[in-house]
Amino acid sequence: ETGVTQTPRHLVMGMTNKKSLKCEQHLGHNAMYWYKQSAKKPLELMFVYSLEERVENNSVPSRFSPECPNSSHLFLHLHTLQPEDSALYLCASSQVTGRTEAFFGQGTRLTVV
Amino acid sequence: SQQGEEDPQALSIQEGENATMNCSYKTSINNLQWYRQNSGRGLVHLILIRSNEREKHSGRLRVTLDTSKKSSSLLITASRAADTASYFCATDPGGNQFYFGTGTSLTVIP
Repeated sequence: ETGVTQTPRHLVMGMTNKKSLKCEQHLGHNAMYWYKQSAKKPLELMFVYSLEERVENNSVPSRFSPECPNSSHLFLHLHTLQPEDSALYLCASSQVTGRTEAFFGQGTRLTVV
Repeated sequence: SQQGEEDPQALSIQEGENATMNCSYKTSINNLQWYRQNSGRGLVHLILIRSNEREKHSGRLRVTLDTSKKSSSLLITASRAADTASYFCATDPGGNQFYFGTGTSLTVIP
C-alpha cells in the first residue's frame, strides 16, 4: 500500500456509458496526477492538479474529464470512450509537482467494448 | 521528446546475478528517479538522484547519473526472483511533470 487508493480496480464499459474513476490520498500531498499506461508505450501524463487547481492538460480528448474537489480526492469522468482508450489508468500524488517522488495507486484496468 | 529511454527493453538473468539497466534522456534535468512496476499494478518509487549527485545507494540498488552523457544506470545486485518487474526511469526537467520511458522488463529466473 502506497497511501494512494484507486477504485474500481477493474472496469468494463460500453462506448455509450458514463463512468468515473476515483483516486484518494491521505498523505498530505499537494499534487495529484492521472496517467494512462498502454502496452509498449511510455506512461502518458493526462492531467496534473496542484492545490486543487489544474496545472497541466496534455491534449487529452474531452471524453476524459477530471475533477479535483479537494486535495485528497481526484476523479476521472469518462463518457463515450473508444476501444483504443482501453488501458491501465494510474493515479499518483506527490508533495509538490514534478520535483519529488510520486506515490502511485494500483491503477484501474479499463476495457472499452 | 523529453522522455527517458531505458535500455535494454528486456533482460533475463539467473537468481543471484546482477542486473544493470540504463536510461538516456535528452534535456537537462533537476533530478532522475527510478520506479518499479509489478505486472499490471502501480509504480513504486525506488530512488531519486539529484543532478548534482553522481551515485546513490539504497540496499541492493545502486544508481549512477552522468549529466554530461545524459544517462543513468540502475544496478540491482544479488538479484532475487521477487525482483522480476518492469523498471522505469523518470526525468524532471523542471515544470509540473515527470517524463517516463517505456521501461525495462526484468525477469529473474530462480
